[in-house]
Amino acid sequence: EIVMTQSPATLSVSPGERATLSCRASQSVTSNLAWYQQKPGQSPRLLIYGASTRATGFPARFSGSGSGTEFTLTISSLQSEDFAVYYCQQYNNWPQTFGQGTKLEIK
Amino acid sequence: QLQLQESGPGLVKPSETLSLTCTVSGGSISSSSYYWGWIRQPPGKGLEWIGSMLYSGSTYYNPSLKSRVTISVDTSKNQLFLKLSSVTAADTAVYYCARRGYYTGDGYFDYWGQGTQVTVSS
Repeated sequence: EIVMTQSPATLSVSPGERATLSCRASQSVTSNLAWYQQKPGQSPRLLIYGASTRATGFPARFSGSGSGTEFTLTISSLQSEDFAVYYCQQYNNWPQTFGQGTKLEIK
Repeated sequence: QLQLQESGPGLVKPSETLSLTCTVSGGSISSSSYYWGWIRQPPGKGLEWIGSMLYSGSTYYNPSLKSRVTISVDTSKNQLFLKLSSVTAADTAVYYCARRGYYTGDGYFDYWGQGTQVTVSS
């Protein structure tokens, strides 16, 4: 089983600033990496797939990068609606596995 | 617009079997292009994939739950089912159904249900 490790667990950032979230895989997942955004009381929502392709409905301030074992989600200028929990997930191998999440909170 | 809706008992007793239904609308569960599956989230914790199934019967389960899980489909009703046996308090969670693509490169979950809370308690 591939273990996904996200860092940091909590990230405090001021609105308008840049946020960088990291996700590491215990072995290569090539580019088969997704990011999800989850707000309180809501289902997770697909944000990024293929490591860098934005899903429908998300603005360009969200970007994903990386391949192999190291991945990054960057939010260039945080808006109030971006404060949420973000999960990475690998789908290169069964079983599919998620990271433990990064909570992005307002500083 | 594809929609997934989970349903089932909100309270299950320890040692019993948890049974949930996911009803798919706006699309066909019989598509060979997608797996349909279950993911859960214990209170205050992260996401755990339970298993996924292709309508034709191909199924993958999380090894940590495999001995207790059965996923099935009823194509005539466009429904997906989850059975989890011998439940304990550790199975208390919000249970989501979700769709993922068939091919490895499409294996992300692009549609999710709203989730259903299941509590295991006597």
